[in-house]
Amino acid sequence: EDKVVQSPLSLVVHEGDTVTLNCSYEVTNFRSLLWYKQEKKAPTFLFMLTSSGIEKKSGRLSSILDKKELFSILNITATQTGDSAIYLCAVPAVGGTSYGKLTFGQGTILTVHP
Amino acid sequence: ETGVTQTPRHLVMGMTNKKSLKCEQHLGHNAMYWYKQSAKKPLELMFVYSLEERVENNSVPSRFSPECPNSSHLFLHLHTLQPEDSALYLCASSQSLTTDTQYFGPGTRLTVL
Repeated sequence: EDKVVQSPLSLVVHEGDTVTLNCSYEVTNFRSLLWYKQEKKAPTFLFMLTSSGIEKKSGRLSSILDKKELFSILNITATQTGDSAIYLCAVPAVGGTSYGKLTFGQGTILTVHP
Repeated sequence: ETGVTQTPRHLVMGMTNKKSLKCEQHLGHNAMYWYKQSAKKPLELMFVYSLEERVENNSVPSRFSPECPNSSHLFLHLHTLQPEDSALYLCASSQSLTTDTQYFGPGTRLTVL
């Protein structure tokens, strides 16, 4: 069974700090890894990573994948209070009968204080 | 309206009630999903539909009954629920089953008394 583990489970920082969130995975067949941000209700898509060592970047957020060591990190620089959210990592099932199934980690709760 | 919408946003029901959750996607996607998010647990996939056909039922109790009348709409019919079914129910859609990126609705916060 596919497994995703995120760390830390929660993190409290002050505005301006840089944070690194971790996601490790064990899957039968790997195709991609996805990061989502969940504020209040709907998880919103951040990044999809498929290739090792290639950084995806969007403003102050960036993410990279290491397929050899089976993990990904999400970096947020110069954090703002609006970055406070739950950050979710997920991997899709590939092949077999588990069509469309995303396996999620427990999430990291990030709190940014002013 | 764009994206994925869900109604109602909040629902309180007794254990003997029957209610339905509605999801609509305006993205032209062919696959739709129901997830359950309980406190301190990862999102759990409940059902997967592709082109109105159910392709996955993730060992969900029969008191949850999904319906997909067309590729834009998905319902979750609820009856004789238990208090432990209280959770956030999220709907998502993707272009197809083999497209990994899923887009989520805002969810329905369900409380079962």
